[in-house]
Amino acid sequence: SQQGEEDPQALSIQEGENATMNCSYKTSINNLQWYRQNSGRGLVHLILIRSNEREKHSGRLRVTLDTSKKSSSLLITASRAADTASYFCATATGANSKLTFGKGITLSVRP
Amino acid sequence: EPEVTQTPSHQVTQMGQEVILRCVPISNHLYFYWYRQILGQKVEFLVSFYNNEISEKSEIFDDQFSVERPDGSNFTLKIRSTKLEDSAMYFCASSLLSAGNDYGYTFGSGTRLTVV
Repeated sequence: SQQGEEDPQALSIQEGENATMNCSYKTSINNLQWYRQNSGRGLVHLILIRSNEREKHSGRLRVTLDTSKKSSSLLITASRAADTASYFCATATGANSKLTFGKGITLSVRP
Repeated sequence: EPEVTQTPSHQVTQMGQEVILRCVPISNHLYFYWYRQILGQKVEFLVSFYNNEISEKSEIFDDQFSVERPDGSNFTLKIRSTKLEDSAMYFCASSLLSAGNDYGYTFGSGTRLTVV
């Protein structure tokens, strides 16, 4: 079964708009992380939220975590064309666990 | 900023041949990983490596796969007898401590493996 499931699968917005991406997971976690992947490139770590945190900010990124619903959202404010990429949520389920990634969301920001 | 370096960037191999994918993790990191991504699909965990041994592996990581850290800097993934379905982008990653201890991964740019 899939630990992390993002939605929507694809999102197309106009530059300047906000982009909201959601991630749901199935088991309890230590933390949840969001990564960005530009086409054909490696994944870049964006932000990490611990299981005892509810909201975190980093620049134009805002991530929330609702452990009761087993879900997280990533908000990118004032989007730019350079934000066009795939975004993945990933969960760590134990102290020594690896990250398990979702299928990703393709974000297109139109100039 | 420190980087994870992967070579080659693209490898084409005949089915049944052995390939070795190479990675140089960040020097002070202690945990090392291989993931793969079949085109357009999710990022799949293959194996994690800590303290000179495999700490966890997935069902994908069968007897055809092996990892080594031969000299304290390189971290290699070997596929002994490649199959067509091994065609994918292979990513190496490293982290200072494990993800469960609230550390993110640094990924390399990947090796695109094409088995023909």
